[in-house]
Amino acid sequence: NAGVTQTPKFQVLKTGQSMTLQCAQDMNHEYMSWYRQDPGMGLRLIHYSVGAGITDQGEVPNGYNVSRSTTEDFPLRLLSAAPSQTSVYFCASGGRQNYGYTFGSGTRLTVV
Amino acid sequence: TQLLEQSPQFLSIQEGENLTVYCNSSSVFSSLQWYRQEPGEGPVLLVTVVTGGEVKKLKRLTFQFGDARKDSSLHITAAQPGDTGLYLCAGALPGTYKYIFGTGTRLKVLA
Repeated sequence: NAGVTQTPKFQVLKTGQSMTLQCAQDMNHEYMSWYRQDPGMGLRLIHYSVGAGITDQGEVPNGYNVSRSTTEDFPLRLLSAAPSQTSVYFCASGGRQNYGYTFGSGTRLTVV
Repeated sequence: TQLLEQSPQFLSIQEGENLTVYCNSSSVFSSLQWYRQEPGEGPVLLVTVVTGGEVKKLKRLTFQFGDARKDSSLHITAAQPGDTGLYLCAGALPGTYKYIFGTGTRLKVLA
């Protein structure tokens, strides 16, 4: 049982480049979210989804796009990378509202 | 902006000591979760509390949800080096599918 799989684990981008962080879960979970984790700031919600075809913004959505065409996949797109987007990104999924998430192991992104 | 404050931010204790970590907010939550995170890994869910006043135990860890569902505590009895890690609380906002995380408590248990 793979759980939540994130790829890549590490990525270095130049300012202005775009890329997609991949996230897949095999638990048939309805709820999926993307968070970024920065030192001293905890986890901040970027975007979330409550099912295929349904997404909404979190606390820090600017500069990021998401889509959810299938239950399993929830990619996060950086449109034009900026140094302020240097962070560790976590994808998470949950099967029941209010009962917490299973997290992936993260993608460490550096924008230079 | 909803805010979850955790205290203390850092805690370094000797093996065998007891400790309590607090998670406080002015907002009401539908539920509250506690996670532990190891370096280089994602957070791992420890427990979910849903009912005001609820107490849950997980071996040496005791979790309590405040009566008003605005705060929670995590108590560890006889801490062990394996308890070392970053402890995060997260609250589910009522009527939404959003979880807001606290800034975390970094615990180090010395042998």
